[in-house]
Amino acid sequence: GAVVSQHPSRVICKSGTSVKIECRSLDFQATTMFWYRQFPKQSLMLMATSNEGSKATYEQGVEKDKFLINHASLTLSTLTVTSAHPEDSSFYICSARLPEASNPYEQYFGPGTRLTVT
Amino acid sequence: AQKVTQAQTEISVVEKEDVTLDCVYETRDTTYYLFWYKQPPSGELVFLIRRNSFDEQNEISGRYSWNFQKSTSSFNFTITASQVVDSAVYFCALSVVAGGFKTIFGAGTRLFVKA
Repeated sequence: GAVVSQHPSRVICKSGTSVKIECRSLDFQATTMFWYRQFPKQSLMLMATSNEGSKATYEQGVEKDKFLINHASLTLSTLTVTSAHPEDSSFYICSARLPEASNPYEQYFGPGTRLTVT
Repeated sequence: AQKVTQAQTEISVVEKEDVTLDCVYETRDTTYYLFWYKQPPSGELVFLIRRNSFDEQNEISGRYSWNFQKSTSSFNFTITASQVVDSAVYFCALSVVAGGFKTIFGAGTRLFVKA
């Protein structure tokens, strides 16, 4: 099956700093990637939909200026948490969808990035 | 709007017991997909099954089986003869065309299987 990687797997940063998380589709081109956030013992909540070459679409309540998403290539999307605060500490998961020609419902999840803001 | 309800927050069973995880979904779309994922303590989601709205056939894969009933908007998941390694959080999810194929997750059911 298709493989999606995330880097880093864990990151600790100080309050007020920014941190970038990468999501890569390793063996396929993904025109669409999704970013989710999962707080402890909670479900995955969709943050935004990232389309290659265009601006991301953010879900209601997600601050686009705080969570910067860039999808500059068909295999890479990045999420930058700007001016991070302890409440941003969470598990961030990305997923990548196969191109339109394939099954559009099929998406592959990355292993997640655990962010801790101190 | 789409919604997925997993009413069971936590379930605890003893090894070898059968257990059913419930999932009820809501959507006005006629074309959609339903999923089950397993999330072990490591956090990485493990895909278990995908079922489209036009295929109500039940499916069995080893100890796992799924019952899809459109009449009750349910997509339940049964583990037969549970094992300790089945302990995890299980998520039911829904994806629809109208939503740009966004996936909506249920709250998850935490399954504890005791030896």
